[in-house]
Amino acid sequence: KQEVTQIPAALSVPEGENLVLNCSFTDSAIYNLQWFRQDPGKGLTSLLLIQSSQREQTSGRLNASLDKSSGRSTLYIAASQPGDSATYLCAVSFSNDYKLSFGAGTTVTVRA
Amino acid sequence: DAGVIQSPRHEVTEMGQEVTLRCKPISGHNSLFWYRQTMMRGLELLIYFNNNVPIDDSGMPEDRFSAKMPNASFSTLKIQPSEPRDSAVYFCASSLQAGAKGEQFFGPGTRLTVL
Repeated sequence: KQEVTQIPAALSVPEGENLVLNCSFTDSAIYNLQWFRQDPGKGLTSLLLIQSSQREQTSGRLNASLDKSSGRSTLYIAASQPGDSATYLCAVSFSNDYKLSFGAGTTVTVRA
Repeated sequence: DAGVIQSPRHEVTEMGQEVTLRCKPISGHNSLFWYRQTMMRGLELLIYFNNNVPIDDSGMPEDRFSAKMPNASFSTLKIQPSEPRDSAVYFCASSLQAGAKGEQFFGPGTRLTVL
């Protein structure tokens, strides 16, 4: 079964610290991987999309890496701010299935 | 550019009533997805349309659920009759590319409460 796991489920850091969010998946034959942010009571905001042929993507303070062989992706958020507090979701498109499989998310709290 | 638009944002109804959720995808996107999010099950794909045609409805929980996409700019998800266990947040998402190949953009969701 193709599964996506995000550990830890919750994370609290002081402002200014770098955030490291982890995503692991059970099948290395992925098509792409997408990171989303969800604020309480809101929809999902796409942060970064990494194609299977890429090793990383960057957008501002965000950097996402992809290691298919180990079944892992990491989202780095540099110099965290209270506004970064949200739930971050990892979603994987496995090659043999066009559907997105979502992790349960990591809820981040950045303390001022 | 306007993102994915969903209406209503909140819906409270009584068990047995018909509920219709609406979605307008991003202009030019030819793939549309309906998802349901609950605390217990997380995000689940209900149905996927490509070029207005339902491609995969295997995630639709029961015959009480139906979805249509009469044109490229409008889709509905209907529940008839509704039940308390249908209470969830329903999201619509669209993508420029077919299936999950492209980046998916989500609407704000409809929070459904069935009493």
